[in-house]
Amino acid sequence: QSVLTQPPSVSGAPGQRVTISCTGSSSNIGAGYDVHWYQQLPGTGPKLLIYGNNNRPSGVPDRFSGSKSGTSASLAITGLQAEDEADFYCQSHDSSLSTWVFGGGTKLTVL
Amino acid sequence: EVQLVESGGGLVKPGGSLRLSCAASGFTFSSYSMNWVRQAPGKGLEWVSSISSSNSYMYYADSVKGRFTISRDNAKNSLYLQMNSLSAEDTAVYYCAREDQYCTEGICYAFFDYWGQGTLVTVSS
Repeated sequence: QSVLTQPPSVSGAPGQRVTISCTGSSSNIGAGYDVHWYQQLPGTGPKLLIYGNNNRPSGVPDRFSGSKSGTSASLAITGLQAEDEADFYCQSHDSSLSTWVFGGGTKLTVL
Repeated sequence: EVQLVESGGGLVKPGGSLRLSCAASGFTFSSYSMNWVRQAPGKGLEWVSSISSSNSYMYYADSVKGRFTISRDNAKNSLYLQMNSLSAEDTAVYYCAREDQYCTEGICYAFFDYWGQGTLVTVSS
């Protein structure tokens, strides 16, 4: 059971918008710790997608955006493309565990 | 271009040991904290261990504390993970990841900005 909760899967047609939620608690996201998002394409290592809740590293398209409110965070992907099909993970810090924590991952399927 | 290349994975019997390596290039290795993150087959990501840029601080997940030792050689641009007393629960792909920081309002938050391709560790008799 992951400390951060994500839906196991989401799907959308090309061109559509999808969101992936990441729900935490008062010891991590709710305590004010920032949330970061990673994309993992099949058979590869994770890639940083969003850091500090809503910042994109250089090279990440602006179709990807993040937000945070209360004890949750969300990743939004607009203009879905076939190459977006991947697993997505959120990450934050937990003060009770004194460690970095990840969500269980969400598999995005582009229909 | 930042590159992280893990090696050293393989099949090991329960109770055995293994040493993983991560060769870094394309950046000033000695300026960054480094981490190991693992992913069990079909599962999510789990942070394992981190080490500060100057070798001063090491941190471990409770699940590996006392059994795993992280180290680095800044002269060789290399990160290591010595794994002892391995069990089936340690079976996973092990990734090395560079740690960067994002600071806002006087508080800094760490995230992992570059990852390797991973090396598979299988613990089985």
